[in-house]
This record gives sequence, C-alpha cells and structure tokens, in this order.
Amino acid sequence: AQSVTQPDIHITVSEGASLELRCNYSYGATPYLFWYVQSPGQGLQLLLKYFSGDTLVQGIKGFEAEFKRSQSSFNLRKPSVHWSDAAEYFCAVGLPASKIIFGSGTRLSIRP
Amino acid sequence: DARVTQTPRHKVTEMGQEVTMRCQPILGHNTVFWYRQTMMQGLELLAYFRNRAPLDDSGMPKDRFSAEMPDATLATLKIQPSEPRDSAVYFCASGLTQGRPTEAFFGQGTRLTVV
Repeated sequence: AQSVTQPDIHITVSEGASLELRCNYSYGATPYLFWYVQSPGQGLQLLLKYFSGDTLVQGIKGFEAEFKRSQSSFNLRKPSVHWSDAAEYFCAVGLPASKIIFGSGTRLSIRP
Repeated sequence: DARVTQTPRHKVTEMGQEVTMRCQPILGHNTVFWYRQTMMQGLELLAYFRNRAPLDDSGMPKDRFSAEMPDATLATLKIQPSEPRDSAVYFCASGLTQGRPTEAFFGQGTRLTVV
C-alpha cells in the first residue's frame, strides 16, 4: 500500500543552523512528491513539489528537497533556519487520479 | 489573491446535532479534497471529487458523513449525527488536475468541537 513516513516527530535546531527533515515513501511507480508547511491555526502551504526532471527542487522560503529514487526518499533541507520557520512540516505523495496522502508531520522548533 | 474559503472557521455543537461545513474552491480548479486533522491520526483524506463527481470517499464513515458538490463553486461536508470523536480540524483543498496529480491548495480549516 502507498504510504509516507516522516520518522522524526519533533526536531529542534538553533537559529542559523542547517536543517534536514526526512521523508520516505512507499509507492511502486514514479511518485509525485510534495512538502507542505503548517503554521499554528493555519492551513497547509505548499513549499515545493517534484514531478519529474531535476531531482533537486527549489521551493519558497529558501527550502529545497532532493528526490532519491534508490532510497525512496524526498528530504527537505534549508541551509540556515530562521525563527519564523518554526512550524509543522508535512511530506505528501500524489497518486493516480490525484489522490494525495500525507505523512504524520514533523514539528520544527527553533532554539534562539 | 485566489484562495480556498471555508466556513465556518469554528463550530461548537452538541452531540447528536447536524453539522455542515462549506468550502469554496479556487475558481477554475476541478479537484476538491476533504481532510480531517487530529493529533492522533494526523491528516486523513476523507473524500475527494473531480469535476464535482466523487472519486473516493473510502476514508469517510459512511453512516454519518456525507460529502457533496452541489455546483463547481461549493463543496459541503455534513455530519449527522455528530459525536465527540468527530472533534477535529476539517480542511478543504482544491487543485487543477490536468493529466497528472495536482498540488492541493488548502483552506484555513473548520475547527469542530462536539460536546
């Protein structure tokens, strides 16, 4: 069955430090992959997406993600985090007929 | 600035009452999703529509939940009768599907509390 796994429930990093959030998917065909961010009390906002082509994709707010087929991973990275990046981050996979399923999320806290 | 609009933003109701949540998708989008978010279960896909037709509602408890799209500008999610375990944030999202999976644009959600 198709699934998305985000192994880290909560991560704390210092402001200015680099960030990597992990995402693994289970899907037999070429996946369509997304990262979303959710601030408290808000809906989800798309950070970036991968459909095909270059496996390193750039998104908004300085985020990037790399698709690695051999590892079934789509990890999110940012070279230097800001206090405003504190939020919940969701990885998602798009399936045929446009069904989208989400991982359980990773909560990011920023240490001053 | 195109956005998905959900009403109401907050709803408190008593157990057994009917609850209706409404969603106005982004104009021109042909795919509408309903998700439920809880601490325990995370984001669950309840149902989704393409061109107003339901494609998959397997995530929805059929005995009490129903989802419809009366027209292209309105999607509704009804719970009747409501139960305390239905307390959650319900998100509507829309997207434009053109031959491949679409990204979903989310509304602000309806926070439902059933007492």
